Amino acid sequence: QLQLEESGPGLVKSSETLSLTCTVSGGSIISNNHYWGWIRQPPGKGLEWIGHVYYSGPTYYKSSLKSRVIISADMSKNQFSLKLSSVTAADTAVYYCGRMGSNGLMDVWGRGTRVSASS
Amino acid sequence: SYVLTQAPSVSVAPGQAASITCGGNNIGNYNVHWYQQKPGQAPVLVVYNSRERPSGIPDRVSGFNSGNTATLTINSVEAGDEADYYCQLWVSTSDVVFGGGTQLTVL
Repeated sequence: QLQLEESGPGLVKSSETLSLTCTVSGGSIISNNHYWGWIRQPPGKGLEWIGHVYYSGPTYYKSSLKSRVIISADMSKNQFSLKLSSVTAADTAVYYCGRMGSNGLMDVWGRGTRVSASS
Repeated sequence: SYVLTQAPSVSVAPGQAASITCGGNNIGNYNVHWYQQKPGQAPVLVVYNSRERPSGIPDRVSGFNSGNTATLTINSVEAGDEADYYCQLWVSTSDVVFGGGTQLTVL
């Protein structure tokens, strides 16, 4: 059974870079039919797509975050990662990783990790 | 940017049917996905491609999509259905959109 798990610091200082990793177990990120994505949810608010990556490298980002986001995949470690630079309090959220189908459905989610951006 | 509009809340008595709508310009032309999220938990896919159910989702959950509105219907609502529900669609490879979410309250 495919499982995803987010990991990374729970606290990031304002203006610094948020770095999270999603480790995939029970399956491979090498898939012709899937992307691997990041979603976030600020406290008390809704879900926001950040971006996703194909195992071989093509990446796609939300336009409003594009200048600050890098998502990458590491086939050797069966992981994919999120880097968000110049964070502010507005980036405080629970960050989820997930498996995304070719038409956007996310059928497997990680449990989420809470990240606070603080001065 | 494409916008999906959901009512903030819906209330229904146990045993009744709940309809949760998601509005968007010509949304009927897209595949819509629906997620259930309970407090402190990750979202769970409950309907994909507008009307398909993943394995393990009961058949009292259904979806429909036409024109400018997609609808998630939950028949014979139970206390365990109380959650936030989000619609989502893939506009393009670089544009994935979620609705603002609807909180379903079982009275």
